[in-house]
Amino acid sequence: NAGVTQTPKFQVLKTGQSMTLQCAQDMNHNSMYWYRQDPGMGLRLIYYSASEGTTDKGEVPNGYNVSRLNKREFSLRLESAAPSQTSVYFCASTPGRGGASDTQYFGPGTRLTVL
Amino acid sequence: QKEVEQDPGPLSVPEGAIVSLNCTYSNSAFQYFMWYRQYSRKGPELLMYTYSSGNKEDGRFTAQVDKSSKYISLFIRDSQPSDSATYLCAMRRPSGTYKYIFGTGTRLKVLA
Repeated sequence: NAGVTQTPKFQVLKTGQSMTLQCAQDMNHNSMYWYRQDPGMGLRLIYYSASEGTTDKGEVPNGYNVSRLNKREFSLRLESAAPSQTSVYFCASTPGRGGASDTQYFGPGTRLTVL
Repeated sequence: QKEVEQDPGPLSVPEGAIVSLNCTYSNSAFQYFMWYRQYSRKGPELLMYTYSSGNKEDGRFTAQVDKSSKYISLFIRDSQPSDSATYLCAMRRPSGTYKYIFGTGTRLKVLA
């Protein structure tokens, strides 16, 4: 099992450009999440998908859109990148069946720089 | 006020020391508590999770939850240089929602 995979690992964009960050999990998890991690701010939830076909906003959704393509894949799109979106982006998944063991498994991250 | 507070460190200790990492939280509705370890330029990896107040041990790691004080701790015994990483506490809102709240992380360095 590869767990949670993310592509690309690194990306540099110019202000106004668009891009899609890809995430896939092979653990048959129901729920998937996108976070950004900034120094001193910790992990902040951008969007999440409790199950296939549903998505919900997290703490910092502005400037982002998501697509839960199927149970395995959850993509994050920046339509018009801004320097404030320079960050490390992590995708995560959980079994989504509730209970104490419903913990998150993270991907390796995408380092995005917007010039 | 942040829902979860965590001292950012850095915390430097000699090899073999006992390390104590802590988080406080303000929302008494949090039910599940987790600790993650994050090596530099890597994703967070789950170390331990707990549900109730009390202690939970796993090898050299002990997670402690005190719901009455809204305080959680992670103890690392016989610390090793390989334990050098950032440790994140995380809490989950009550069942029915799927939103997790993370602390900002404490950077730990174990000196050989």
